[in-house]
Amino acid sequence: RKEVEQDPGPFNVPEGATVAFNCTYSNSASQSFFWYRQDCRKEPKLLMSVYSSGNEDGRFTAQLNRASQYISLLIRDSKLSDSATYLCVVNGTLEGSGNTGKLIFGQGTTLQVKP
Amino acid sequence: AAGVIQSPRHLIKEKRETATLKCYPIPRHDTVYWYQQGPGQDPQFLISFYEKMQSDKGSIPDRFSAQQFSDYHSELNMSSLELGDSALYFCASSWALTGLNTGELFFGEGSRLTVL
Repeated sequence: RKEVEQDPGPFNVPEGATVAFNCTYSNSASQSFFWYRQDCRKEPKLLMSVYSSGNEDGRFTAQLNRASQYISLLIRDSKLSDSATYLCVVNGTLEGSGNTGKLIFGQGTTLQVKP
Repeated sequence: AAGVIQSPRHLIKEKRETATLKCYPIPRHDTVYWYQQGPGQDPQFLISFYEKMQSDKGSIPDRFSAQQFSDYHSELNMSSLELGDSALYFCASSWALTGLNTGELFFGEGSRLTVL
């Protein structure tokens, strides 16, 4: 089983739609969680961090459920420019050592927003 | 602002050859990470260095080695190349304290290795 699992999609939605991505992680000791965005053949870039209390950045809302080891990303009012692969990312930990700095990536969920 | 620089951007090698990828982190970043991303795959962590010492190791084959130099640049050496090594190799950098806390690694544009 992969450490971080996502539905690969693709999700094909019309402009203006609301779309939600889900992610689960297996290491209960994980402490930091993120969503990265990767455009085709480009490098991954941080979209937003995910905090326990949930956080919002414009049209993007991230939620974390530690008990269920579940992370979500909600995108409202989808734009054509949102088309990309969204990677659920967990900071890798060594037991008892806290954050190691390395990031463990999910396989990504592909979003295609159509006019 | 300066970003992570990787070279070469594209590399074509034959099976059993050797390849070296270079990474120049953002100035003042002291931590470097190497990731391998195969076609349609997620980035897989290979290895990382903090202050020129190996800080963590992932799924890096024994045929690969890496190091970080005194100027903080890093090199990934790959020997006895196999077809399955064809992938996009990303280098990322961070400044240890902020990297651990924010999770933001700054990625280079990647080096695309094709093994024929």
